[in-house]
Amino acid sequence: AQSVTQPDIHITVSEGASLELRCNYSYGATPYLFWYVQSPGQGLQLLLKYFSGDTLVQGIKGFEAEFKRSQSSFNLRKPSVHWSDAAEYFCAVAMNNAGNMLTFGGGTRLMVKP
Amino acid sequence: GAGVSQTPSNKVTEKGKYVELRCDPISGHTALYWYRQSLGQGPEFLIYFQGTGAADDSGLPNDRFFAVRPEGSVSTLKIQRTERGDSAVYLCASSLTNGRGETQYFGPGTRLLVL
Repeated sequence: AQSVTQPDIHITVSEGASLELRCNYSYGATPYLFWYVQSPGQGLQLLLKYFSGDTLVQGIKGFEAEFKRSQSSFNLRKPSVHWSDAAEYFCAVAMNNAGNMLTFGGGTRLMVKP
Repeated sequence: GAGVSQTPSNKVTEKGKYVELRCDPISGHTALYWYRQSLGQGPEFLIYFQGTGAADDSGLPNDRFFAVRPEGSVSTLKIQRTERGDSAVYLCASSLTNGRGETQYFGPGTRLLVL
């Protein structure tokens, strides 16, 4: 069965510092991977996704993620964090069977210090 | 354009009662998904519709839960004989097609509290 693990439940960074959120997946075939952000009172918003090709994917709001097959990882990065980036971040994988249902990790809550 | 909307935004009910949660997907989206997000956890898949039919309901926890999408647009998630363990945020998402990797657009969710 496929699974997604986000090892860090909480992360605190200073504004302007770099950020890396970890995501590891367990999946037998080529994964379809996603990062979503959830702000209080708002729905999940897609930051970026990876299917194939270039393993470094650019997303919205200055985020990027790198797919590393050898490490079964899809870590999210941002070079300089803004206070508005404080939110909960979810990594997800799309199931292989028809339907595109997503399996999510447990999430990482990001706090930004001024 | 309008995004996915869900009503009500909050629902408080008593144990044993029946509740209905509504989802209005983005116009033209053929695929619709329901997920449940318990406190401190990621969303978990419940059921998915392609058009009017429930294509996969393998995530529904038991037979107290069912959902409909009679005209291929609006969907209603129905929970009978609610239990305190049903308390969670219920999320709806829609996508243009059910193709793998198609972007799912999420609504703000309905927060259900069962007392």
